[in-house]
Amino acid sequence: DGGITQSPKYLFRKEGQNVTLSCEQNLNHDAMYWYRQDPGQGLRLIYYSQIVNDFQKGDIAEGYSVSREKKESFPLTVTSAQKNPTAFYLCASSTPTGGGEDTQYFGPGTRLTVL
Amino acid sequence: LAKTTQPISMDSYEGQEVNITCSHNNIATNDYITWYQQFPSQGPRFIIQGYKTKVTNEVASLFIPADRKSSTLSLPRVSLSDTAVYYCLVGDRNTGFQKLVFGTGTRLLVSP
Repeated sequence: DGGITQSPKYLFRKEGQNVTLSCEQNLNHDAMYWYRQDPGQGLRLIYYSQIVNDFQKGDIAEGYSVSREKKESFPLTVTSAQKNPTAFYLCASSTPTGGGEDTQYFGPGTRLTVL
Repeated sequence: LAKTTQPISMDSYEGQEVNITCSHNNIATNDYITWYQQFPSQGPRFIIQGYKTKVTNEVASLFIPADRKSSTLSLPRVSLSDTAVYYCLVGDRNTGFQKLVFGTGTRLLVSP
């Protein structure tokens, strides 16, 4: 089955620890994204990558880092510099057509709780 | 960034048609309008996308007037499983790469 997988589904960490969230896609999509969602809120863009070995900061990149060494993978590290990391994290991928259409496909999400 | 405004919440009953309107006064010429559906603790799911006039698929219809400053998502004969948050998005073409801006969405509650 084609799709996007995120692991783990639930993650608990102690304050001050770095944690890496996994995101893998087998849709052969060029672009990948990371969003953060807080309760009752919409999604906010953390980082995005249009191609391998290239990524750009989104609206709330502080305290996060990413890498894009493979087309299929776009891991997100939540560092100790992120002041309020407890949230629901969503990964997405798409193949921008350049014509204005850009359908993003989302993974199931990882709920991170920092204790 | 082209912002969108949509109602915070809507209530409906099973079997009714639901229309959710979204305002996007600053939509750019090349922007498309996209609607997503999100269930609790899940990732959003693409519903429908359009540029102008009317688009219909097996799930919904999207009506876009000529001035494109608003759009209406129409869900025919909703069921309890349509209870979800619906997001209206307009593509941001400033960087030549579309960044989607999610607002708080419309929380639809379908009752028996």
